[in-house]
Amino acid sequence: DVKVTQSSRYLVKRTGEKVFLECVQDMDHENMFWYRQDPGLGLRLIYFSYDVKMKEKGDIPEGYSVSREKKERFSLILESASTNQTSMYLCASSPHTGGKNIQYFGAGTRLSVL
Amino acid sequence: SQQGEEDPQALSIQEGENATMNCSYKTSINNLQWYRQNSGRGLVHLILIRSNEREKHSGRLRVTLDTSKKSSSLLITASRAADTASYFCATERERGTSYGKLTFGQGTILTVHP
Repeated sequence: DVKVTQSSRYLVKRTGEKVFLECVQDMDHENMFWYRQDPGLGLRLIYFSYDVKMKEKGDIPEGYSVSREKKERFSLILESASTNQTSMYLCASSPHTGGKNIQYFGAGTRLSVL
Repeated sequence: SQQGEEDPQALSIQEGENATMNCSYKTSINNLQWYRQNSGRGLVHLILIRSNEREKHSGRLRVTLDTSKKSSSLLITASRAADTASYFCATERERGTSYGKLTFGQGTILTVHP
């Protein structure tokens, strides 16, 4: 089975802190994604990566950056956390399958910024 | 912007009844997918239907797609309490190199009472 592992289930950080959210997948998938999920807004794409060292902005990249130094690992970075970044963060991966890309999700990290 | 919009936002039924959820979208798509999310967890892929397909079945799930109306429905037959979850539709756009990017709807919260 595909496994996508997010390093923390819950995180509490202070405003202004630099925050790292880590995601690792074990199925050699090319594509990886970071979403945030907020009540009433569904899932919104922050960044995605289709190859090592490649990254593309999603719909809401402001305040975030990402890093993909190895194929299996995709990190989301909050440079200076703010209270409006309190949310559930979901990582996903998918293979290049030409038109039927199914995404596999981690369990999520619930981040609270105080 | 949200490509998919789901209806209803919440659905409450008794065990054994059927549950129908609808999804509408705006642009041409390559495929449409349905995912399930148990409370506080990541999403799990349920079923994918391609733009040239009209109906697909998987166990107790039946998905239909009407590209002329840009809409899809998910039917869960003979529902069980364990089906209680949020259900999301997601679309992969038709043109360009999407790298498997999906646009998710806001979800339908299904509650099945024993």
